[in-house]
Amino acid sequence: DTGVSQDPRHKITKRGQNVTFRCDPISEHNRLYWYRQTLGQGPEFLTYFQNEAQLEKSRLLSDRFSAERPKGSFSTLEIQRTEQGDSAMYLCASSNSGQTEQFFGPGTRLTVL
Amino acid sequence: AQKITQTQPGMFVQEKEAVTLDCTYDTSDQSYGLFWYKQPSSGEMIFLIYQGSYDEQNATEGRYSLNFQKARKSANLVISASQLGDSAMYFCAIRAGGTSYGKLTFGQGTILTVHP
Repeated sequence: DTGVSQDPRHKITKRGQNVTFRCDPISEHNRLYWYRQTLGQGPEFLTYFQNEAQLEKSRLLSDRFSAERPKGSFSTLEIQRTEQGDSAMYLCASSNSGQTEQFFGPGTRLTVL
Repeated sequence: AQKITQTQPGMFVQEKEAVTLDCTYDTSDQSYGLFWYKQPSSGEMIFLIYQGSYDEQNATEGRYSLNFQKARKSANLVISASQLGDSAMYFCAIRAGGTSYGKLTFGQGTILTVHP
């Protein structure tokens, strides 16, 4: 089993630009989560998919953020009009029915200049 | 809403000794799950151990055990026989509800440093 993969691993962008991150969950995992982690803090929940349905969104997910999981496999997280406060590590996790733990990917580190 | 509090920003331990990392939680749910994750400097979150709120026995996974005291709302992680590779950030997390899915709420973490 390959683990959760995320692409890119690092992204540097200028304020106001749009960025898109991709997450590939563990094969056949039907649940996929996005978290954001700023320096020195624990991860904060952003959104959650079961198959292709987005079941929960945090209030942290402003209207500049959108996430999709069109075919119930990989997911994308897009941030429009990036701000310096968006600089963080964006973590993706997946799990399957009956599993308690979530398996995390290596994260995408975003730096907004 | 759920909340996790980890009051130890940093902990130091000598190699081969045991160490306890503190975690207290707050939730109004009767059914919930408690997790510990390790985050090395590489950044990836590694699952260590899980305790369900109705589990009567404290969870153990190899050198990791979870000291679950429900009345005190605490879920401390005990690492026995510390190794240099245990040096990392450790996060306690809670998932409310009696299901196996749903968001995790994390604490701020404890940095553990293992000295040779």
